[in-house]
Amino acid sequence: QVQLQASGPGLVKPSGTLSLTCAVSGDSISNNHWWSWLRQSPGKGLEWIGQIYHVGSPHYNPSLKSRVIISIDKSKNHFSLNLMSVTAADTAVYFCARASLHGLSLWGQGTLVTVSS
Amino acid sequence: DIVMTQSPDSLAVSLGERVTINCKSSQSLLYTSNNKNNLTWYQQKAGQPPKLLIYWASVRESGVPDRFWGSGSGTDFSLTISSLQAEDLAVYFCQQYDSIPHTFGQGTKLELK
Repeated sequence: QVQLQASGPGLVKPSGTLSLTCAVSGDSISNNHWWSWLRQSPGKGLEWIGQIYHVGSPHYNPSLKSRVIISIDKSKNHFSLNLMSVTAADTAVYFCARASLHGLSLWGQGTLVTVSS
Repeated sequence: DIVMTQSPDSLAVSLGERVTINCKSSQSLLYTSNNKNNLTWYQQKAGQPPKLLIYWASVRESGVPDRFWGSGSGTDFSLTISSLQAEDLAVYFCQQYDSIPHTFGQGTKLELK
């Protein structure tokens, strides 16, 4: 059974960096999927942050592109999100997900990240 | 960015009722090379991540009950639940994956009348 599990600090200070990792179990991160990050907040709904394939360059939401890095670690079978210079507007539940050609077919449970001093 | 607009924002429904949720995109989602629409529907229950219901606008994901139907093409799409069950009370989102950034509708919440 394939599972995704996001982990990382639940509290980040303003102007700091939000760092999350998504561990993939039951599937190889080198298989034919896009590995994605999304977030959900009451004010902004569901927002697609970006995605990465095991080869090539990641794709980012232009609204976040200047602050975000998504990377992949094949040896650990996980992928990561780094969002820099965070503000309260970045407070959200962050999801990692597996995408195929027809959508986001598998999601992790989500992790709440609060930006506050 | 492609803007996805759902209607209504919320709907008070009765069990057994036929329910239709609409989703309109600001640009066509029809991929002409394969004649498929890059449009998905998700169901989200409280405290859970979204669950993929429908892809290519009308194809049910494996395991999704056949009371869920997706239809539409181009810029206008619908999700229909033929006979609402209690477990269908949730928030439903459409999403386009035709161009980056992949964008979502604002969601439609189904509540019991």
